[in-house]
Amino acid sequence: EAGVTQFPSHSVIEKGQTVTLRCDPISGHDNLYWYRRVMGKEIKFLLHFVKESKQDESGMPNNRFLAERTGGTYSTLKVQPAELEDSGVYFCASSQDLLDTQYFGPGTRLTVL
Amino acid sequence: AQSVTQLGSHVSVSEGALVLLRCNYSSSVPPYLFWYVQYPNQGLQLLLKYTSAATLVKGINGFEAEFKKSETSFHLTKPSAHMSDAAEYFCAVSLYNFNKFYFGSGTKLNVKP
Repeated sequence: EAGVTQFPSHSVIEKGQTVTLRCDPISGHDNLYWYRRVMGKEIKFLLHFVKESKQDESGMPNNRFLAERTGGTYSTLKVQPAELEDSGVYFCASSQDLLDTQYFGPGTRLTVL
Repeated sequence: AQSVTQLGSHVSVSEGALVLLRCNYSSSVPPYLFWYVQYPNQGLQLLLKYTSAATLVKGINGFEAEFKKSETSFHLTKPSAHMSDAAEYFCAVSLYNFNKFYFGSGTKLNVKP
């Protein structure tokens, strides 16, 4: 069974540009989560989808971040326009049910110059 | 509010020595507690979890952790370190609904030959 995959693995962009990160959860997992780790700090929750609905987006930093999960399969996280402080590693996780283990992807390392 | 503190961003042990990674939490309600490990270029992998059953939890790869409510701790131990244990370890707390994790800042474990 394939795990959670994320694309790209690395992205380097200039301040003001737009970047879209993609997450493909494990097949059949209704719950999808986005987290972010900024330079050596703790991993922080961004938001949680149940199928295509946003269940909790309390961790989204500001309105420059837009997450979507059309059709309840893969998800995208768009940052527009990117700022320097958006640099970090963005993790995606999925779980079959709410109380199940969350399986994490390898992350996307975003660098904003 | 929930928070997790991992003492020591870097821990170094000799191969065969005891591994002890410390985690303290604060939570307004009884928490669920987790340890995840991240090997280079991989996603976070669940080592073990405490969900209000036995206070001593055994995980994969010979790791275990003990929930101590009076000390608000959930330290991770392994009797004998292997070179393959070198990785970054994250402690996390979740509330009853599991919908989001609060992570510590991580501890990098180095194992010396």
